[in-house]
Amino acid sequence: QVQLQESGPGLVKPSETLSLTCTVSGGSISSYYWSWIRQPPGEGLEWIGYIHYSGKTRYNPSLNSRVTISVDTSRNQFSLRLSSVTAADTAVYFCARGYSSGWSAFWGQGTLVTVSS
Amino acid sequence: QSALTQPRSVSGSPGQSVTISCTGTSSDVGGYNYVSWYQQHPGKAPKLMIYDVSQRPSGVPDRFSGSKSGNTASLTISGLQAEDEADYYCCSYAGSFVVFGGGTKLTVL
Repeated sequence: QVQLQESGPGLVKPSETLSLTCTVSGGSISSYYWSWIRQPPGEGLEWIGYIHYSGKTRYNPSLNSRVTISVDTSRNQFSLRLSSVTAADTAVYFCARGYSSGWSAFWGQGTLVTVSS
Repeated sequence: QSALTQPRSVSGSPGQSVTISCTGTSSDVGGYNYVSWYQQHPGKAPKLMIYDVSQRPSGVPDRFSGSKSGNTASLTISGLQAEDEADYYCCSYAGSFVVFGGGTKLTVL
């Protein structure tokens, strides 16, 4: 059974860059599409973007200018970088495995990232 | 791009059926048969309940069913059980990106 685990700083200062990594175990990252989704406290889900192991990416147009998703097949990991963060970027960030059509069957437990000085 | 439109809340008694709607546009829900539904309990990660409009992953009870008509998709839960009380989110492919609904809180009375 594939498992995903998010890791990274829980606190980021405004205007800095948020960086998270998702480590995949129990399966190879060299297949499927690998997504980042976030959920502000008490709010709904927001799709951030996904990457195929080949490096093909798609991003949420509203975040496109600030988001970079990359993959490291040698470490079975993929990563998220979100630049110029503000308090509005405070959220639980989930990584997930799915398909290009957008659905994801396997999710990490999520990690809370707070943007505050 | 805007979030898909879902009712903020729905409710039903045990054993009853409820339907949650998800309205989009011809650029997302209406344009592709790639609507999925997720169940989320408090403090937990979302769980995939339906994909490709009406397909159920292994392990999801057949009490959960999905459908689509035009720009509106629906999730129907029959034979409501207490453990079905949760937030439900729809999700649709939109060509070059993916969009979620705002979420619906299901209360089992």
